[in-house]
This record gives sequence, C-alpha cells and structure tokens, in this order.
Amino acid sequence: AQSVTQLDSQVPVFEEAPVELRCNYSSSVSVYLFWYVQYPNQGLQLLLKYLSGSTLVESINGFEAEFNKSQTSFHLRKPSVHISDTAEYFCAVNRYHYGGATNKLIFGTGTLLAVQP
Amino acid sequence: GAVVSQHPSRVICKSGTSVKIECRSLDFQATTMFWYRQFPKQSLMLMATSNEGSKATYEQGVEKDKFLINHASLTLSTLTVTSAHPEDSSFYICSARARTGTNTEAFFGQGTRLTVV
Repeated sequence: AQSVTQLDSQVPVFEEAPVELRCNYSSSVSVYLFWYVQYPNQGLQLLLKYLSGSTLVESINGFEAEFNKSQTSFHLRKPSVHISDTAEYFCAVNRYHYGGATNKLIFGTGTLLAVQP
Repeated sequence: GAVVSQHPSRVICKSGTSVKIECRSLDFQATTMFWYRQFPKQSLMLMATSNEGSKATYEQGVEKDKFLINHASLTLSTLTVTSAHPEDSSFYICSARARTGTNTEAFFGQGTRLTVV
C-alpha cells in the first residue's frame, strides 16, 4: 500500500524568504507524485507533478519539487515566497499501473504555508 | 486546463433532509469521477470512485446507502447525502479524470461546504 507523510502541519515564513515543504512517500511500486494547492474554501489545484524523466519539476509560479527515489521524497521548494502563496499544500501519490495510473490518489495531511509580511 | 464545476458551493440543510451535489466536467469527458470528504484541517479522504454507466465503488467505512452516487453521463456525477445529520457536515470535493490515453491528472471541483443544522 502507498502512503504519504507531510511532517509539517504548518510552516510560517516571512515574505521573500525561501521555503521547503516536506513530503515523503512509501510504496513498493513505481508511483506518480503530485503537489496540489488549496486556497480557503476552494477545491484543489494541481501545482506540479512528476511522472517520469527529469527528477526536477517546476510550476509556472516559481515552485519546484525534486523526486528523490533513494530518499522516497518529493519536497516542494520556492526560493522567494509571496503573501499570495499562503494556502494549504497537499502532496499526493498515485500508483503506476500498466497503461496509466490507478484510480486512487493518496493524499498527505497537508501543510499550511503561512506567509507573513 | 480542464474545468470541473461543482454546485452548490455552500448548502445548509435541516437534519433529516437530503442534499444533492453536482459535479460537471465542462470541457472534457470524464470516464471516472471521485468524491472526497475533507474535515477541518485534515486531508482529503476518498469516499468513492464512479465510472460512467456503472455502480460506484465505495471505500471501506463509507455507507453507500447514505452517500448515493450517480454517474449517468460522461460529464456529470452527483452525490446525494440522504437523511443528513450534523455529523455529515463537511467539505465535499469531486474530481474527474479525462477519458483519453494514459492521462494521470485528475481535475478538482471547487468543493461544497455542507452544513447540517
């Protein structure tokens, strides 16, 4: 079975500071990895994903995540955060299945990124 | 990106009544739709997976007679909370996966805040 661990429930950071949100997963098979962002009272929006190829993936708003197979991690980073980045961030894993992915997205418990002025 | 519309965004109902939540894929055909429940400050818990034209598959511990799911077309799935009680109050989120190829991305609706009084 797959599982996702986000150790930090909340990460306070000052504006323009760098941030790293940690995500570790466990799986005995190949997986796809995702980061989603959720703004208050809204659904989830895909931030970035790792399917294959380059282990470093980037989003259009400056976030990046690196897939580290040996450490089973997919940490999310941004070199300089903005107030508008304040949101809940969820790491998720989807088990690889021949021809695509299985139906289940397994989510971590989320990390609240609180950017302070 | 693909758009999933969920309606209503908020609903308040009396205990004992039923509430229907709609999830529509606006610009793609969704063979598979997922329904999640999210408690405050917690992660998303998958309730059920539905494929167009067939019965939904419920996760362990989810009462299928209480949470009725219908996926009658490739663009619409509904979740009906029957005989709602205050403990059913939660944030419900749907997501949809497109039909083609090995697509691994699920697109999320905006969520529905259900309050049972």
